[in-house]
Amino acid sequence: KAGVTQTPRYLIKTRGQQVTLSCSPISGHRSVSWYQQTPGQGLQFLFEYFSETQRNKGNFPGRFSGRQFSNSRSEMNVSTLELGDSALYLCASSLADGGNYGYTFGSGTRLTVV
Amino acid sequence: AQSVTQLGSHVSVSEGALVLLRCNYSSSVPPYLFWYVQYPNQGLQLLLKYTSAATLVKGINGFEAEFKKSETSFHLTKPSAHMSDAAEYFCAVSVWGSQGNLIFGKGTKLSVKP
Repeated sequence: KAGVTQTPRYLIKTRGQQVTLSCSPISGHRSVSWYQQTPGQGLQFLFEYFSETQRNKGNFPGRFSGRQFSNSRSEMNVSTLELGDSALYLCASSLADGGNYGYTFGSGTRLTVV
Repeated sequence: AQSVTQLGSHVSVSEGALVLLRCNYSSSVPPYLFWYVQYPNQGLQLLLKYTSAATLVKGINGFEAEFKKSETSFHLTKPSAHMSDAAEYFCAVSVWGSQGNLIFGKGTKLSVKP
């Protein structure tokens, strides 16, 4: 059974640019969540999608957005990149409400903003 | 609202010694609790989860954790540390209906000395 796949693994972008990250969940999982991990702030919840609808959102500026497709694959986009956006971005998938089923994480995308 | 406190950002043990990583949570409703492990430049791997069944939960790689409601704790233990256990460990809490929002502790980095 394939795990959660995130692409690309590494990205280097310049301040002001935008970036799109991709996440393919485990087959059959309809919930996809995104997290940002930094040394200073730790792991922070960005947003969660279920059946193409955003159900929950963390406390991040509007520059961070996402979407989910009918096959449950998800993308997140960050516009007007800032140096502070440098982080490991993790995607997690779950059958439905992960609270009961648990969350499976991908290996992450390491974004560096220069 | 939920929160997680992990006591000790760094824990060092000798190979073969007991591993004890502490986690206390705060939740106004019955929680789901998780322990994840992260190796350098990797995503999060689920070690074990508590979802209101048995209070003593056994996970992978010989780890286990005990849910103690009276102490609001979910400490992670392993009887005998192995060099390969050196990693960062995260405790997390969610509740039913949290819609992807896992609340993580700050993490505990485990070092294992030969």
